[in-house]
Amino acid sequence: DVKVTQSSRYLVKRTGEKVFLECVQDMDHENMFWYRQDPGLGLRLIYFSYDVKMKEKGDIPEGYSVSREKKERFSLILESASTNQTSMYLCASTISGGQGNQPQHFGDGTRLSIL
Amino acid sequence: LAKTTQPISMDSYEGQEVNITCSHNNIATNDYITWYQQFPSQGPRFIIQGYKTKVTNEVASLFIPADRKSSTLSLPRVSLSDTAVYYCLVGDSVSGNTPLVFGKGTRLSVIA
Repeated sequence: DVKVTQSSRYLVKRTGEKVFLECVQDMDHENMFWYRQDPGLGLRLIYFSYDVKMKEKGDIPEGYSVSREKKERFSLILESASTNQTSMYLCASTISGGQGNQPQHFGDGTRLSIL
Repeated sequence: LAKTTQPISMDSYEGQEVNITCSHNNIATNDYITWYQQFPSQGPRFIIQGYKTKVTNEVASLFIPADRKSSTLSLPRVSLSDTAVYYCLVGDSVSGNTPLVFGKGTRLSVIA
């Protein structure tokens, strides 16, 4: 069974700090995604990656960056955390190719609070 | 990307069949329809996917009419544990590297 592991379930940081959220998947998936989820807004895509060292902006990339140095690991970076980045962050991975939409496998999320 | 429209929320009693309809008027020829389920404090989980007619698995059924402009997720005899948010997504991950859009989903509340 695919396992997507996010490094922390809960995280509290201060305004202006540089924050790293880590995500690791164990199924050799090519594609990895970072979302944030806020009440009433659903899931919004921040960044995604289709291969090592490749990244693409999603719908709301401002204030974030990502790193994918190894296939299994996709990191989300908040360069200078702000209170409006308090949210639930979800990482997902999926295999590439095939027909239709390959199911995305999600981690359990990191609830990040910026004080 | 095909835009989807689904009800914000639904209520149901235990034991009833629940049907959640999703509209996707500008669905493209290569697009598939995929549904996810999300429980509180968890990431979404894939439920079912289809292209046309009917698909059934151990969790749900998916009905897609001939014009494919809508689809209906059917949950038979729901229980309290089916209380969750259900997302309808439309797209094709094969043609171009464009991720699907989750949207706000439908919040299903099952009442005893």
